[in-house]
Amino acid sequence: AQKVTQAQTEISVVEKEDVTLDCVYETRDTTYYLFWYKQPPSGELVFLIRRNSFDEQNEISGRYSWNFQKSTSSFNFTITASQVVDSAVYFCALSEGKTGGFKTIFGAGTRLFVKA
Amino acid sequence: GAVVSQHPSRVICKSGTSVKIECRSLDFQATTMFWYRQFPKQSLMLMATSNEGSKATYEQGVEKDKFLINHASLTLSTLTVTSAHPEDSSFYICSAQRTDNYGYTFGSGTRLTVV
Repeated sequence: AQKVTQAQTEISVVEKEDVTLDCVYETRDTTYYLFWYKQPPSGELVFLIRRNSFDEQNEISGRYSWNFQKSTSSFNFTITASQVVDSAVYFCALSEGKTGGFKTIFGAGTRLFVKA
Repeated sequence: GAVVSQHPSRVICKSGTSVKIECRSLDFQATTMFWYRQFPKQSLMLMATSNEGSKATYEQGVEKDKFLINHASLTLSTLTVTSAHPEDSSFYICSAQRTDNYGYTFGSGTRLTVV
């Protein structure tokens, strides 16, 4: 069965600090997709990244970076030099299937507070 | 591209009434749409999978007679909360899967308050 665990419920950092959000997943499928979404107070889900199970390359996008480790079933997300605007709830999600066409299961989310 | 419009964004209704929420894919066709519910400070929980032209598949514990889903076209799925009660107050979000299987796009959500 699918499962996504985000052990960190809340994280509080001071602006300009680096912060890593952890995500551990469980799946019996060999083909799956992992996602990170940001949910600001407005509620809308903002897509950040999608990674398929065959691509373990780490990715960097500006201040954001992702570390995908199949050996530990982890897909961690790091924000470098955090800013107040990064304050939000971040969800890690998993979708099984060749085309990611099956339902997406979300982790419990990590609420990030960035203080000025 | 790949925009999903969800309407309304907020709705307040009286207990016992029904509320319809629309989810439209604006610039792509979606064979499959998903409906999620999110209670305050909780994660998104999948309610049902909506397939164009067929009956929706509901997750365990979701009352199909209470949450009616219709996916009559490749660009529109609707969720109707029937005989709403205060405990149905929640944030409802839809997502659509593109027919080219590129991925998912989420709507902006509907905050339902039942008084």
